[in-house]
Amino acid sequence: NAGVTQTPKFQVLKTGQSMTLQCAQDMNHEYMSWYRQDPGMGLRLIHYSVGAGITDQGEVPNGYNVSRSTTEDFPLRLLSAAPSQTSVYFCASSPTTRGVLSGANVLTFGAGSRLTVL
Amino acid sequence: DAKTTQPTSMDCAEGRAANLPCNHSTISGNEYVYWYRQIHSQGPQYIIHGLKNNETNEMASLIITEDRKSSTLILPHATLRDTAVYYCIVRANQAGTALIFGKGTTLSVSS
Repeated sequence: NAGVTQTPKFQVLKTGQSMTLQCAQDMNHEYMSWYRQDPGMGLRLIHYSVGAGITDQGEVPNGYNVSRSTTEDFPLRLLSAAPSQTSVYFCASSPTTRGVLSGANVLTFGAGSRLTVL
Repeated sequence: DAKTTQPTSMDCAEGRAANLPCNHSTISGNEYVYWYRQIHSQGPQYIIHGLKNNETNEMASLIITEDRKSSTLILPHATLRDTAVYYCIVRANQAGTALIFGKGTTLSVSS
């Protein structure tokens, strides 16, 4: 049982390039999400999905696209990378789409993808 | 919108109990308190959560005061591997879909 797998672990991009961060989970979780973590800023939600074919924006969605064609995969696309997108990105999933403070919802995080945009 | 107050940092000797406090005086009656930790550069890891009663699992114990305004995470026998940032979370975004992480407490366990 691998949990949440993120690839790549490290990536360096030039400004304007595009790329996709991959996230896959093998726990049949309904809910998947992407966070970014910057020094002194904590984790901020980018996009999330409550099931295949359903996505929605989080706190900081600009410059990112997501899709959820299968239950297992939730890729994050950077359309035109900017230095402000230099960050560590975490994918997280949970078994249910009930509210995260409901007691039924425990998030499993991936190991992270460290992105540098020059 | 419940907020938490945690000390910025704490130290603990290896083998001793680590008691991490969290104040959440505005928590709603039906909202759980969650604890996660993040070991350097890794993804956050779930530890424990509770509503009213004290909870214990293989990782830690959670003590919640009767008025629910504060809680304490207890690591009974801290090891060097427990050095991490510990997040006490009682906030979610408006849609209830994402936890709001604060700055947490940096716990340093030393030998």
